[in-house]
Amino acid sequence: QQQVKQSPQSLIVQKGGISIINCAYENTAFDYFPWYQQFPGKGPALLIAIRPDVSEKKEGRFTISFNKSAKQFSLHIMDSQPGDSATYFCAAVQTSGSRLTFGEGTQLTVNP
Amino acid sequence: GAVVSQHPSRVICKSGTSVKIECRSLDFQATTMFWYRQFPKQSLMLMATSNEGSKATYEQGVEKDKFLINHASLTLSTLTVTSAHPEDSSFYICSARGGTVNSPLHFGNGTRLTVT
Repeated sequence: QQQVKQSPQSLIVQKGGISIINCAYENTAFDYFPWYQQFPGKGPALLIAIRPDVSEKKEGRFTISFNKSAKQFSLHIMDSQPGDSATYFCAAVQTSGSRLTFGEGTQLTVNP
Repeated sequence: GAVVSQHPSRVICKSGTSVKIECRSLDFQATTMFWYRQFPKQSLMLMATSNEGSKATYEQGVEKDKFLINHASLTLSTLTVTSAHPEDSSFYICSARGGTVNSPLHFGNGTRLTVT
């Protein structure tokens, strides 16, 4: 019940295209859903996050779509750029406990 | 913005020795810090949670006597890998959270440990 399932494991997108990464969770107590971007040899950096009281959040080229009834959320990267090539992790947390549960990660490659 | 500093970024040590990794919150007080381990091309695995001034809570399967965690101040937590072995080679990452449950988590840049 603590798992967060993430797909796809890897994704190749052409420059300018849309990258879509999906996550699903089981624990309905989760109330905060962040996405992290990680470059090789670096720690994860918070990209964007959403709470379940909204269905969508947009920050620049990054959008989270959230479907509470389906217990799914996704990250959309518009106009993908080679610099976006990284590993992306979705996560979920029950903020009263603050223990993050990470998805398995998606390695995104954006070709020039 | 908030920054978490982790040191060293890389360390190579011989089997049987101990290695200490530091995690500092630079511009906020971190009441809670987390230590993760990450194998190549895998997700982050939570090792332990530490709250300032109290004993760390270890995840199932993590040896507390091997991975010593100290969180003696609101800005510093340390992870000591004792009697390191080659199988302890990994990428260790800390994260820190500020004073409220709604404070965001900030991650350090990780420490690459290689045990020869």
